[in-house]
Amino acid sequence: DQQVKQNSPSLSVQEGRISILNCDYTNSMFDYFLWYKKYPAEGPTFLISISSIKDKNEDGRFTVFLNKSAKHLSLHIVPSQPGDSAVYFCAASDSGGGADGLTFGKGTHLIIQP
Amino acid sequence: EPEVTQTPSHQVTQMGQEVILRCVPISNHLYFYWYRQILGQKVEFLVSFYNNEISEKSEIFDDQFSVERPDGSNFTLKIRSTKLEDSAMYFCASRWASGSNEQFFGPGTRLTVL
Repeated sequence: DQQVKQNSPSLSVQEGRISILNCDYTNSMFDYFLWYKKYPAEGPTFLISISSIKDKNEDGRFTVFLNKSAKHLSLHIVPSQPGDSAVYFCAASDSGGGADGLTFGKGTHLIIQP
Repeated sequence: EPEVTQTPSHQVTQMGQEVILRCVPISNHLYFYWYRQILGQKVEFLVSFYNNEISEKSEIFDDQFSVERPDGSNFTLKIRSTKLEDSAMYFCASRWASGSNEQFFGPGTRLTVL
């Protein structure tokens, strides 16, 4: 039962170009979405989040877009840098602020080519 | 910058033994979580803890698991009688308060059950 889906296990992007990572969800109760970055042997690092009342949130090189009707969100990284090479997880919750745990996707391994 | 810490980084145990995984959440955070990631799989929510009691638990969090906040700083996960399938990375996370759901993760404890 995959409530959060990241259909691309890996993505290769040239340095300096835009990286677009996609995520789909099935649970219409989800109202808060987050992106995490993870290096091997480390815990997930919070990147950026978006509430369901918004359709875009931007923080420096990172922008998250939310399309509620399509139950789809994406993370844009521009320009991509070598240090961005990592596994990116999409996560969602249906609390909007309560104590609910996050539901994660399987992750996309982003590889930035020099 | 404050961070979540976890000890030990790697724990090896025999099947049937009890293990305690320890976490020190970020000091002013109020919500605490445990997640696990079996090798090659996605990060899965186990339990959330707020105001000295469990707020939510997943179906994974059965009677062999328990959590405790024994003092003002530590948050522990106990597995009473470990099974081979409990081998995984266990991540602790914490969050400040309601209104947002940015959870900050520790580096994880790798549990190996032999």
